[in-house]
Amino acid sequence: EPEVTQTPSHQVTQMGQEVILRCVPISNHLYFYWYRQILGQKVEFLVSFYNNEISEKSEIFDDQFSVERPDGSNFTLKIRSTKLEDSAMYFCASSENRAGANVLTFGAGSRLTVL
Amino acid sequence: SQELEQSPQSLIVQEGKNLTINCTSSKTLYGLYWYKQKYGEGLIFLMMLQKGGEEKSHEKITAKLDEKKQQSSLHITASQPSHAGIYLCGADRPGTYKYIFGTGTRLKVLA
Repeated sequence: EPEVTQTPSHQVTQMGQEVILRCVPISNHLYFYWYRQILGQKVEFLVSFYNNEISEKSEIFDDQFSVERPDGSNFTLKIRSTKLEDSAMYFCASSENRAGANVLTFGAGSRLTVL
Repeated sequence: SQELEQSPQSLIVQEGKNLTINCTSSKTLYGLYWYKQKYGEGLIFLMMLQKGGEEKSHEKITAKLDEKKQQSSLHITASQPSHAGIYLCGADRPGTYKYIFGTGTRLKVLA
């Protein structure tokens, strides 16, 4: 069964460093998403991406965050200067977004620890 | 913006017991999705409800949508330890690409 692949599974970084989280969505999917889940808390929407541009972003997705689809397969989330509060699990998801039937397929997540 | 509130926040039941999880939206629901998350892992799609009054079942899990009340419920019959995890409801709105999730319900099933 097709799956969404995320790397790395765990990254530890120092505060102020740049981090890039990578995702390979399902090949025929057109819509891509990033979510954040702080330990023990809810799954929070960060951004959605379609046709090589951001479709929607949340208040969390400030200037420190950016997304890119550098080639036909990867979808990346960059955090420019990490803060302690960026420590969380980051999930990538993709969908075909058929009208009225938008089922997301999630990756296993990338755990980011900022020291 | 739309918010999805789930209740209860957590639930511990004995194996074999039935249980219900609720999801209430602050805005009109155009479709409601249920997902399950095992601890520390990604979300897995369970089922989708698109019309008011619609009810769907998969194995021992049944979900129902009440559009008027802007609510959905997820019912598990004869729970098993394999049902343990976090259940989340999700929703998006036509014309937007913002797909949000509820606050989550942590389920533990005691053998």
